[in-house]
Amino acid sequence: DGGITQSPKYLFRKEGQNVTLSCEQNLNHDAMYWYRQDPGQGLRLIYYSQIVNDFQKGDIAEGYSVSREKKESFPLTVTSAQKNPTAFYLCASSRRPAGNQPQHFGDGTRLSIL
Amino acid sequence: QQPVQSPQAVILREGEDAVINCSSSKALYSVHWYRQKHGEAPVFLMILLKGGEQKGHEKISASFNEKKQQSSLYLTASQLSYSGTYFCGTGRVDSNYQLIWGAGTKLIIKP
Repeated sequence: DGGITQSPKYLFRKEGQNVTLSCEQNLNHDAMYWYRQDPGQGLRLIYYSQIVNDFQKGDIAEGYSVSREKKESFPLTVTSAQKNPTAFYLCASSRRPAGNQPQHFGDGTRLSIL
Repeated sequence: QQPVQSPQAVILREGEDAVINCSSSKALYSVHWYRQKHGEAPVFLMILLKGGEQKGHEKISASFNEKKQQSSLYLTASQLSYSGTYFCGTGRVDSNYQLIWGAGTKLIIKP
């Protein structure tokens, strides 16, 4: 079955530490997205990628970094510069980078500070 | 400027109907609807595109009024499985492929 796999499901970060969240898709989708979700709020876009080796900042990119070296993979690094990283992180993909394409989501990674 | 969803929360008895609204101050060309259960990923329900169309999915349907930049999601004869938080994601003319998401409407269905 095709889908999006995020790992780990739970992650704990120490002060000053960078952590990387994994996102892999086997849907052959061109576009991939990273969202942050805080309790009681909607999704906020961190980064998105329309094609391999290309990505753009979303609304809340500060303190985060990404790479897109392979079509299937779009890892997100939460750096020590992100002072409030505790949230639910969702990765999504769509067939094409367009607002008229449905987005398919992974099961999410819940990040907390130790 | 995220779209405004209303109501914020609604509690229904099984079998009752519900309407969830999504309103934007910006020109839209698409509206997406998703349902998310607690701690899980959002699940795609439907997309409505510019043209004022209406779509249906089992007992869940939606409409899109592009002139008013508003969409409504209709849940008919609600089932327990409909419980969750419903999000609209809006495709704006000026947003360059991004969806702008509403804060969600929490729907609780009681037996």
